[in-house]
Amino acid sequence: DAKTTQPTSMDCAEGRAANLPCNHSTISGNEYVYWYRQIHSQGPQYIIHGLKNNETNEMASLIITEDRKSSTLILPHATLRDTAVYYCIVMGKGNQFYFGTGTSLTVIP
Amino acid sequence: SAVISQKPSRDICQRGTSLTIQCQVDSQVTMMFWYRQQPGQSLTLIATANQGSEATYESGFVIDKFPISRPNLTFSTLTVSNMSPEDSSIYLCSVETYNNYGYTFGSGTRLTVV
Repeated sequence: DAKTTQPTSMDCAEGRAANLPCNHSTISGNEYVYWYRQIHSQGPQYIIHGLKNNETNEMASLIITEDRKSSTLILPHATLRDTAVYYCIVMGKGNQFYFGTGTSLTVIP
Repeated sequence: SAVISQKPSRDICQRGTSLTIQCQVDSQVTMMFWYRQQPGQSLTLIATANQGSEATYESGFVIDKFPISRPNLTFSTLTVSNMSPEDSSIYLCSVETYNNYGYTFGSGTRLTVV
């Protein structure tokens, strides 16, 4: 079962930073937080993951709170192609991914 | 990361028939997963398929309806049996990656049952 909660939808102006929050208050000490996105019924695409330190790659930054109960995905300069559903996932104990409802991000011109 | 080929990409089927979906991976993987995504919904895990053992099904999914084969470390099939319109969904397979980057997903099979 999904162990994360996210807002259902968000809007972001093109060129601005998109900040997508995620709550994972029951996360265990050795569980990673993963972020994926799905663009219009394509297969989900990996964005970034982290354990407790903040992470950055060419796509996004991931900020994890010190208590690890929540995190924020940051798309620094959102483009129209970033319009997608974003999923925050904590891996299940059998190494499965259980998807929550995700956040539908709409980037507005 | 692994490259997944999923076939067919889409199909329209008559109710009462069955469809077998294939998932081919370009590298050997231990764990493969099958998901269903109903229209407008998130992904729901159907089952975990490990080579050499029977698939493990999630609550609400049964082997008679969704039989799975896993004959080797690069291939798996999911059959949707005795289909009804409620089975119209996108079905996706997924495999683990070995660099701790989570899982790779296939492009999915869009199934419409009429």
